[in-house]
Amino acid sequence: DVVMTQTPVSLSVAIGQPASISCKSSQSLVGTSGKTYLNWLLQRPGQSPKRLIYLVSKLDSGIPDRFSGSGSETDFTLKISRVEADDLGVYYCLQGTHFPDTFGAGTKLELK
Amino acid sequence: EVQLVESGGGLVQPGRSLKLSCVASGFTFSNYGMNWIRQAPGKGLEWVAYISSGSSYIYYAETVKGRFTISRDNAKNTLYLQMTSLRSEDTALYYCARRAMGIDYWGQGVMVTVSS
Repeated sequence: DVVMTQTPVSLSVAIGQPASISCKSSQSLVGTSGKTYLNWLLQRPGQSPKRLIYLVSKLDSGIPDRFSGSGSETDFTLKISRVEADDLGVYYCLQGTHFPDTFGAGTKLELK
Repeated sequence: EVQLVESGGGLVQPGRSLKLSCVASGFTFSNYGMNWIRQAPGKGLEWVAYISSGSSYIYYAETVKGRFTISRDNAKNTLYLQMTSLRSEDTALYYCARRAMGIDYWGQGVMVTVSS
């Protein structure tokens, strides 16, 4: 199975400040179609996960452009340009290129 | 609006069985592959099983292979997970989730607690 290594484990950020989360995969996530099925999810406290980004950098509908995704092959990053209170929770990366789908261990974003 | 609503969870003794259901609405269910994903209390996300849109392809995590069975009824817009020989380590919140460009929609989850 593809191992997704996510760092940091936790992140303490002041409102209005930027945040960055890294996700590295144990093998290339470029599929046979040429697409890279790397998602970023946010799980707010007490809620189910919600997808923010798919195909590395495409924002899901309704997701503010404070969020951005980048990367290629095995190295990916989620950036929040200015953290807001609603951004708190656990962020997960997910790869869907190789079966089975695998998740990073999560990064908990807290307010400083 | 896409909705996935799970049901069927509860408290069950080790070794017993339980069947989860997930009713889908707001999209053409028969066009999408579906997953079951679980989250043990305070832990991360673990993929459990996948079924393709027409049930031709089915995959399981090694931790549940031989004990869990995923199925679907496209006429009823419903996904199932039959769980047998349950163990304490199967205790988790079980989510059904639609597979599209990764995983795009998740249900609210249903709790399964395996304890004597």
